[in-house]
Amino acid sequence: AQSVTQLDSHVSVSEGTPVLLRCNYSSSYSPSLFWYVQHPNKGLQLLLKYTSAATLVKGINGFEAEFKKSETSFHLTKPSAHMSDAAEYFCVVSEGFQKLVFGTGTRLLVSP
Amino acid sequence: GAVVSQHPSWVICKSGTSVKIECRSLDFQATTMFWYRQFPKQSLMLMATSNEGSKATYEQGVEKDKFLINHASLTLSTLTVTSAHPEDSSFYICSAASGSSGELFFGEGSRLTVL
Repeated sequence: AQSVTQLDSHVSVSEGTPVLLRCNYSSSYSPSLFWYVQHPNKGLQLLLKYTSAATLVKGINGFEAEFKKSETSFHLTKPSAHMSDAAEYFCVVSEGFQKLVFGTGTRLLVSP
Repeated sequence: GAVVSQHPSWVICKSGTSVKIECRSLDFQATTMFWYRQFPKQSLMLMATSNEGSKATYEQGVEKDKFLINHASLTLSTLTVTSAHPEDSSFYICSAASGSSGELFFGEGSRLTVL
């Protein structure tokens, strides 16, 4: 079975500083990986996805992630945090046809 | 982008009653919809896969008689929590797969509180 591990339950940054949210995956074959964002009491919004094309994936709102097979990682980054980025972020792996396995989530806190 | 709507967005009910939550794909047809449950400050857990015109496929540990799923049309799936109890209180989220692109779109969730 595939799985993802989000290494940090909380990440705190100051506005304007870089963001790094870490994710490691476990998969027996080439995975499809996603990052979703969830604002309080809201559904999920897709930030970006990796599906075996370019290893550096650019998403919405300035986020990007790099697929590193050798490290089994898919970390999410953003050069400069904005207050509106404060939310819960989920790293997700696809376990076959549209069946998603979610990580435990990382709460991003952004201070002024 | 495609829109998935859930209704109600929040509901409070008494213990022992049943509650129905609707998931609609507003601008595309979805042969497959997924239902997730999210406990406070936790991740989403897949409950079941709903296929239009056939029985839902439940994940291990999910009681199918407790959580009834009906996918009667290509734009609507419903989740009914039967004889709800306080431990069923949770945030329920659905997603729908666009037939043309295969991409998944999520609803905004329904918060159920059972008193």
